[in-house]
Amino acid sequence: AQSVTQPDIHITVSEGASLELRCNYSYGATPYLFWYVQSPGQGLQLLLKYFSGDTLVQGIKGFEAEFKRSQSSFNLRKPSVHWSDAAEYFCAVGEIPGTASKLTFGTGTRLQVTL
Amino acid sequence: GAGVSQTPSNKVTEKGKYVELRCDPISGHTALYWYRQSLGQGPEFLIYFQGTGAADDSGLPNDRFFAVRPEGSVSTLKIQRTERGDSAVYLCASSLGGTQSGELFFGEGSRLTVL
Repeated sequence: AQSVTQPDIHITVSEGASLELRCNYSYGATPYLFWYVQSPGQGLQLLLKYFSGDTLVQGIKGFEAEFKRSQSSFNLRKPSVHWSDAAEYFCAVGEIPGTASKLTFGTGTRLQVTL
Repeated sequence: GAGVSQTPSNKVTEKGKYVELRCDPISGHTALYWYRQSLGQGPEFLIYFQGTGAADDSGLPNDRFFAVRPEGSVSTLKIQRTERGDSAVYLCASSLGGTQSGELFFGEGSRLTVL
């Protein structure tokens, strides 16, 4: 069965600093990978997704992620964090190619941004 | 509305009671998903509808949980004989359906507390 590990429960960065959130997955076939963000009082919002092709994926709000098959990783990055980026971030893997939306989520990383 | 709507936003009930949670997906979305998010965890898949039928209910924890989508739009998640361990946020999501659609649109969730 597939699984997702987000090793960092909580990360604090200063506004303007760079950010990298780690995600490792376990899946036998080609994974379908996603990053979602969850802000207080709001539903989960898709930041970006990887299905195939270019391993560097651009998303919304200036985020990007890089798929590294050799490391089973899909880390999320942002060059300069804004205070509004404070939220919880979830990495997820789609289970089957035909039903990529049936997701297995990691436990999340809570991002705090200091001014 | 434009997004996925879930009601009630909060539900407090007593152990042993019956609960219904409602989800109104985005108009035109044929796929509908229920997830459960416990405190400090990522969302956990419960059930997936394609149209009116449950395409995959492998995530339902036991036979106290049941979901319907009789007309292929609104869905109701039903929990019988609630237990304290059922306390969680129940998330609904919808998507256009089909293969590799990938993007789920989530509602804000229904927070269930079982006393």
